Amino acid sequence: EDQVTQSPEALRLQEGESSSLNCSYTVSGLRGLFWYRQDPGKGPEFLFTLYSAGEEKEKERLKATLTKKESFLHITAPKPEDSATYLCAVQGSGGGADGLTFGKGTHLIIQP
Amino acid sequence: EAGVAQSPRYKIIEKRQSVAFWCNPISGHATLYWYQQILGQGPKLLIQFQNNGVVDDSQLPKDRFSAERLKGVDSTLKIQPAKLEDSAVYLCASRSTGRGSYEQYFGPGTRLTVT
Repeated sequence: EDQVTQSPEALRLQEGESSSLNCSYTVSGLRGLFWYRQDPGKGPEFLFTLYSAGEEKEKERLKATLTKKESFLHITAPKPEDSATYLCAVQGSGGGADGLTFGKGTHLIIQP
Repeated sequence: EAGVAQSPRYKIIEKRQSVAFWCNPISGHATLYWYQQILGQGPKLLIQFQNNGVVDDSQLPKDRFSAERLKGVDSTLKIQPAKLEDSAVYLCASRSTGRGSYEQYFGPGTRLTVT
């Protein structure tokens, strides 16, 4: 059974204070690891897909990295508008069934 | 490009009543998913469709939940009868079946409260 554990559960930072969110996973054959952002009352918004260890992707102040056991979402000089819940999910190599297994998320608050 | 549409956005029902949710995926997306997100948790897959066929419904509580996608476009998820523990946000997602396209795009969700 695929499993995803995210830490910390919640993180409060000052504006401009860089940090990293962790996503540890176990999966039988990783097809992809996904990061989503979710704002209150909205559906998850796609950020990144990582496919193999060593891969990195960037978007504005966010950078996602992947190893064989975990992924990190690095946030550089965050702004208040980066406040949201960040969800990590994995997709195993289960043939045609490719639903995502999500972690519980990290609730990030950026204070001005 | 229009996103995934869902309705209603909110629904309040009493336990043992029935309820239905509707989803219209992104145009051209053949794969459609329904997820359940309980407060404080990540989304949990309920069912996956490819066109109008079911690919995976292993986590769907089939004694009370049903879903269909008759013409391979819109989908409906039904709960009958509802229980208190069904209170959650029901999210619909869709994905292109183009080569290398694995990311799923989510709708705004339907928040269900069972009293």
